[in-house]
Amino acid sequence: AQSVTQLGSHVSVSEGALVLLRCNYSSSVPPYLFWYVQYPNQGLQLLLKYTTGATLVKGINGFEAEFKKSETSFHLTKPSAHMSDAAEYFCAVSINTGGFKTIFGAGTRLFVKA
Amino acid sequence: NAGVTQTPKFRVLKTGQSMTLLCAQDMNHEYMYWYRQDPGMGLRLIHYSVGEGTTAKGEVPDGYNVSRLKKQNFLLGLESAAPSQTSVYFCASSTSLAPQDNYGYTFGSGTRLTVV
Repeated sequence: AQSVTQLGSHVSVSEGALVLLRCNYSSSVPPYLFWYVQYPNQGLQLLLKYTTGATLVKGINGFEAEFKKSETSFHLTKPSAHMSDAAEYFCAVSINTGGFKTIFGAGTRLFVKA
Repeated sequence: NAGVTQTPKFRVLKTGQSMTLLCAQDMNHEYMYWYRQDPGMGLRLIHYSVGEGTTAKGEVPDGYNVSRLKKQNFLLGLESAAPSQTSVYFCASSTSLAPQDNYGYTFGSGTRLTVV
């Protein structure tokens, strides 16, 4: 069965520091992978997605993620954190099992310190 | 450019009461979804619809019913609310079920429901 694990429910970084949010997945078939961001009192917004092709995917607001099949990972990174990046981030995996099913991770809340 | 609109934004119910959550999208999307979000559990799919007049069960459908009488609207009903249904409910829509054909889901801003 497919699953998504986000390591760390809370991550704290200083402004200007590297942001690394970890996501590992389990799937018996090739997955499609997504990162969403949720700001307070808002719905989720798509940051980036991987379907096929280039394994390094660039998204909005300077974020990027790399699909590593051998490690079953899709970690989200940003070289320099900004205060406005403080939010909750969700990794999601979608697979085709005769119909698409999307599973969301439990989320990682990112705190950015001044 | 409203996107996905959910009403109401907040609601407190007593155990056993009923209510309907409304989701409206103006993007002409075929597919619509209802999720619930609970701390530490991410989003779980309640029901979804692949088009007007269709509905299907998701991961956690018990205690909920849905209807999609019009393409732009997807209603979530609670017939007899229970404290276990205290959650934040999100509606979403997409152009396709297939991730390679859509641009991800468009989410509403959520409904915070408390059942006491």
